[in-house]
Amino acid sequence: GDQVEQSPSALSLHEGTSSALRCNFTTTTRSVQWFRQNSRGSLINLFYLASGTKENGRLKSAFDSKELYSTLHIRDAQLEDSGTYFCAAEDSGYNKLTFGKGTVLLVSP
Amino acid sequence: DMKVTQMPRYLIKRMGENVLLECGQDMSHETMYWYRQDPGLGLQLIYISYDVDSNSEGDIPKGYRVSRKKREHFSLILDSAKTNQTSVYFCASSLGGFANSDYTFGSGTRLLVI
Repeated sequence: GDQVEQSPSALSLHEGTSSALRCNFTTTTRSVQWFRQNSRGSLINLFYLASGTKENGRLKSAFDSKELYSTLHIRDAQLEDSGTYFCAAEDSGYNKLTFGKGTVLLVSP
Repeated sequence: DMKVTQMPRYLIKRMGENVLLECGQDMSHETMYWYRQDPGLGLQLIYISYDVDSNSEGDIPKGYRVSRKKREHFSLILDSAKTNQTSVYFCASSLGGFANSDYTFGSGTRLLVI
């Protein structure tokens, strides 16, 4: 199976609502990084976590290295939040970043 | 403004031609990466470079080679391109080692092999 399992694969939200994305890891992960890919294809760094939680505006991420998962919460979704969200796990030894297959988020009015 | 720069942004090549994708970073990062992105597959790691002339295969190295002669530059080479190498290629860099560092990605090169 995949080392990084991302869910859901697609998500539709109305403006102002909230939801969470999740990544499950099958092996020990040193850190996790979350990206949003915009319509131009650029990967925008959202969070880097080696442990605990981080918050930035309406986004909040948590990483539980012991339970092998990470979450990304989106609060009060806005149209500009639409895009594809990727989580990526860094392995413990080789600085290798393994990506999930992404969550396609569509925020509608 | 710290960044990873990829050239070219778009590229069309014929099957069998050689392809050179260039990547540069201005952060003195030790470690650099080449990924490709295909629909439904996410990003897959092609090669890692831990420093000058210190390169390792990633998950899908077949059909590719790399060159890193200066810390700030990392090139991806396709000798005799194939149509299944049509993809979007991303370069990235990080501090590497045991440093807690996020990865910075370039804007991608969209390669079409016809």
